[in-house]
Order: sequence, then C-alpha cells, then structure tokens
Amino acid sequence: QVQLVQSGTEVEKPGASVKVSCKASGYTFTRYVISWVRQAPGQAFEWMGWINPYNGNTNYAQKFQGRVTMSTDTSTSAAYMELRSLRSDDTAFYYCARGRVSYTTSSGWAYWGQGTLVTVSS
Amino acid sequence: DIQMTQSPSSLSAFVGDRVTITCRTSQSISTYLHWYQQKPGKAPKLLIFAASSLQSGVPSRFSGSGSGTDFTLTITSLQPEDFGTYYCQQTESTPTFGPGTKVDLK
Repeated sequence: QVQLVQSGTEVEKPGASVKVSCKASGYTFTRYVISWVRQAPGQAFEWMGWINPYNGNTNYAQKFQGRVTMSTDTSTSAAYMELRSLRSDDTAFYYCARGRVSYTTSSGWAYWGQGTLVTVSS
Repeated sequence: DIQMTQSPSSLSAFVGDRVTITCRTSQSISTYLHWYQQKPGKAPKLLIFAASSLQSGVPSRFSGSGSGTDFTLTITSLQPEDFGTYYCQQTESTPTFGPGTKVDLK
C-alpha cells in the first residue's frame, strides 16, 4: 500500500533552517509529483510548492521563493523540504502529499504524510 | 492566486441529517475542485476529486457537485464518524484551499 512517512518533530530557533523528509513506499516514486503544504495551528492549508521526482523540476509558491528548497533522492524514494531563515510564524505542521494520478499536479491528493510539527521559538 | 470561500464556517447537526457545504472560487476553475476531511491531529483525507467523483473507499453518502466557481459537498445522512473539518481545494492553478467548515455532532 502507498505510504508517505515523514520525519519527526523539530524545534528550531529563529533564523535557523529545518529539513523535513518524506519517505515514500508502495508505488513507483518517480511517477508522482510530491507537493508540500503547511498548516499553522487552527489554520487552513498553505501550499508551499511541489517537486517532480522524475526530473527534479520544482515549482515554489511565490511567498517561499528564495527561502525553500525541495529535493528528492530517487535511490531511497525520499523527498525533502528545507526552509531557511525561520521565523516564529513558520510554526506549523508540514505535510507532503501525492496526487491520485501520475505525472500531474491537478488530480487531487490521495496520499498524505502524517505531518511534521516544526516549532520556531527562541 | 485564486481565492476560495466556504460556508458555513461551522455547523452542528444530528446523526441522520443532510449536510451541505458550499465552496466558491474567485474565478472559474472548471472542475478542478477537490474535497477533504480532516480530523484533529490527522492528515486530510481525500473524499471527492474533480468536483463530483468519489474517491475509492469513501462512503457513498458523500457527494459533490458544481463547476466554474460554485461547488457543493453533500453528506446525505450524517454519521458519528463524519465529525471534523472539511476543506475544498482547487488545482486549476497554484493550489489553494478554502478556510474550512467545522462539522460537529449535536
């Protein structure tokens, strides 16, 4: 069965960086785009960007341009999201997600990681 | 970015009630609209994709309709396990989500 398993809780100081991992299993990793979204406590979702593991192409939300880097390791079927220059308002749950349909970003996201809580506090 | 609104923001209903949630977008998105259910501390679960298609494994009491800018999620007979927050999402362009509708059981 398809699974996305994320790394654990992170606590960082303002100005630091965090790198969240998302390990995929149960499907051919290179066939499906991985999206990253975040959800601040009690808030709705905010799309951060996506990466195509097939060719490494990325598309970042304008808000995060210059501060986020998404990458994949196809040898281990893992995706990564690094966010730099952390601020207190970056405190949120961060999720990776996979679409229903291969090679597209518009099909609805049928599989999600369990979420990684990143807390930014001095 | 395409803006999204949902109504109501919250509702309370009895088991067996018919529940309807509305999602509106700031511009036409054809049927690139999906519905999710989220329970506290959990990741979202896809219920409906492409406005009206039921995701595999989702009970048939859930249905979706609409196209363009106006969409509806309907639960025909609310069950105790249906509590949670429901979000719409558009993927016609840069993905955006609605603010959510919290469903409580009376």
